[in-house]
Amino acid sequence: EVHLVDSGGGLVQPGGSLRLSCAATGFTFSSSAMSWVRQAPGKGLEWVSGISGSGGSTYYADSVKGRFTISRDNSQNTMYLQMNSLRGDDTAVYYCAREPGSSWWFDSWGQGTLVTVSS
Amino acid sequence: QSVLTQPPSMSAAPGQRVRISCSGRSSNIGNYYVSWYQQIPGTPPKLLIFDNNKRPSGIPDRFSGSRSGTSAALVITGLQTGDEADYYCATWDSSLNLVVFGGGTKLTVL
Repeated sequence: EVHLVDSGGGLVQPGGSLRLSCAATGFTFSSSAMSWVRQAPGKGLEWVSGISGSGGSTYYADSVKGRFTISRDNSQNTMYLQMNSLRGDDTAVYYCAREPGSSWWFDSWGQGTLVTVSS
Repeated sequence: QSVLTQPPSMSAAPGQRVRISCSGRSSNIGNYYVSWYQQIPGTPPKLLIFDNNKRPSGIPDRFSGSRSGTSAALVITGLQTGDEADYYCATWDSSLNLVVFGGGTKLTVL
C-alpha cells in the first residue's frame, strides 16, 4: 500500500527557512514523479513544485521560484522541499503527492504539514 | 484568480445528479488530461478521476468525468450525504509550465 508521510512544518519568522520531508513506502519510489501542493487556510489547492523520478527535472510555480528547492533521495525514499526567504503568504498546509503516470495527476497524498510564517 | 474556472458552490438533494464544470483554455484543458479531486475539510485531497474520464480502483461509477474542447466536467449521480465536500479540477498548463488547479467547488447535499 502506498503511504506518504510529510513532516517538517512549523512556525517560522518572515525571511526564515524550513525544510519539509516526505517519506514514501509501498512503491518503487524512483519510478514516480512527485510534487508538493499547498493549501492556505480557507483557500484552494496550489501546486508548488514537482520533480521527476530520477530527480533530473524539476518544476516550480512562479510564486516560489528562486526561494524553494525541491529534491529527492531515492536511496532513502524521501523527497524534500527546502523553503527559504519565507513570506506570510507561504503560510499553508503542504502536501506531498505521488504522480504515477505521465499526465500530472496525483493518486496518493501525504497527510499534510502546516507551515506558519509569522513574527 | 484561478487559471481554471469552477463554480464556487453547488447544492443538490440526495439521490440527484450534479455536474461540476471546469473551464480553461487551449494551453491547459484543450491539450492536456484533466484530473478531479474530492477534499473533505481537514483531510488530504482524494483522486476521483484521471486522464479526463478514468476512475482509480475503489471509486464508484457514480463519479464520471468528461472533456470537450477547453472545458471539463465531473458528474456525480445518486448523490449521498457523504459526497458533501470540495471538488477540484487540475491539469498541466503549457504556457505557465506548471500544474494548475481550479478554484474549487463546494458541494452541499441538502
